[in-house]
Amino acid sequence: TQLLEQSPQFLSIQEGENLTVYCNSSSVFSSLQWYRQEPGEGPVLLVTVVTGGEVKKLKRLTFQFGDARKDSSLHITAAQPGDTGLYLCAGANYGQNFVFGPGTRLSVLP
Amino acid sequence: DSGVTQTPKHLITATGQRVTLRCSPRSGDLSVYWYQQSLDQGLQFLIQYYNGEERAKGNILERFSAQQFPDLHSELNLSSLELGDSALYFCASSAGGASYNSPLHFGNGTRLTVT
Repeated sequence: TQLLEQSPQFLSIQEGENLTVYCNSSSVFSSLQWYRQEPGEGPVLLVTVVTGGEVKKLKRLTFQFGDARKDSSLHITAAQPGDTGLYLCAGANYGQNFVFGPGTRLSVLP
Repeated sequence: DSGVTQTPKHLITATGQRVTLRCSPRSGDLSVYWYQQSLDQGLQFLIQYYNGEERAKGNILERFSAQQFPDLHSELNLSSLELGDSALYFCASSAGGASYNSPLHFGNGTRLTVT
């Protein structure tokens, strides 16, 4: 069974601070996706990374896929209250299904 | 708006009962996935259908079943409900399967409460 771990589980920071959340596995994935979920809604895709070592930037968010395609990180610069939510990573399992991590619950205080 | 529609939004029922959750995928998407989300378990993959056929199965209980119809909408049937089945049930759709790295588009879920 492929498992994804995410850390930290909870994170509470002040507006303007930087943060990094991690997604780790002992398994290799064909791609990895990051989603953000807000209360009462379904997860919304932020980014897909496919190539080992790939770095993608989405405004203040920087995503990196590990060289071995087993781990990923999400870095947020100058966090804003609108960044508050549950951040989920999901590994694509070579044609089988998507495996989700337990998520990092981020709270950005004004 | 993801384009994925789930009904009903809320469902309250008693133990032992049976319910059906419905999902209409985003236009053009052939794959439908069902996930269960509870506070202590995160998003758990239940089952995937691709163009009407079962493609992958996760930790889906025998009391649960699903199908995808010719018009590509899907239903998740939950029977002999137990208190522990209370959770958010999400449907997601994608253009292809996981092999295509297609992103998942989620509906807003059905919140099931079993009393």
